Amino acid sequence: KAGVTQTPRYLIKTRGQQVTLSCSPISGHRSVSWYQQTPGQGLQFLFEYFSETQRNKGNFPGRFSGRQFSNSRSEMNVSTLELGDSALYLCASSANGDQPQHFGDGTRLSIL
Amino acid sequence: GQQVMQIPQYQHVQEGEDFTTYCNSSTTLSNIQWYKQRPGGHPVFLIQLVKSGEVKKQKRLTFQFGEAKKNSSLHITATQTTDVGTYFCAEKKSSGDKLTFGTGTRLAVRP
Repeated sequence: KAGVTQTPRYLIKTRGQQVTLSCSPISGHRSVSWYQQTPGQGLQFLFEYFSETQRNKGNFPGRFSGRQFSNSRSEMNVSTLELGDSALYLCASSANGDQPQHFGDGTRLSIL
Repeated sequence: GQQVMQIPQYQHVQEGEDFTTYCNSSTTLSNIQWYKQRPGGHPVFLIQLVKSGEVKKQKRLTFQFGEAKKNSSLHITATQTTDVGTYFCAEKKSSGDKLTFGTGTRLAVRP
């Protein structure tokens, strides 16, 4: 069974730009969650999508948004990038959200 | 953002010594999960605890869920260099709720 796939693996952007990250969950998993990981703040929950609906949301500004498609693939978008958005963005899929989460390798985003 | 407190933040042990990390929540939990993240890697699921007072073992790792379902611990017996990494607890307050990760405990092992 293929694992969680995140693309791209690395991304460099400048302040003010916007970015879209992609996540393909494990086949059959309906829940996709996104996390931001930084050395200072640890693993911060962004949002969770389940069956194309946002089921849970973390405490991030509206610049961070996401969506999930009918095949459970998910995208995360960050607009008006700030230096503080530099981080590793991790996607995790779960069968139904209550089952253990399986993480992808992440997208490392650097803002210049 | 809100996070679950884990202690210690960092621990450096000699290979063969034991290691314990503790996770404390302010509320009663539905379940608690434990993950391990190796340096440069992504978190990998270790175990899920659901019942009050539950104890589960995986080889040298022992996981406990408190009687009040507000705290948990992970104990590693006779650490090895392969145990190096950051251990996270993650709490879920109710079914369907988000998974909130703890602050993590970074374990270093001297060979």
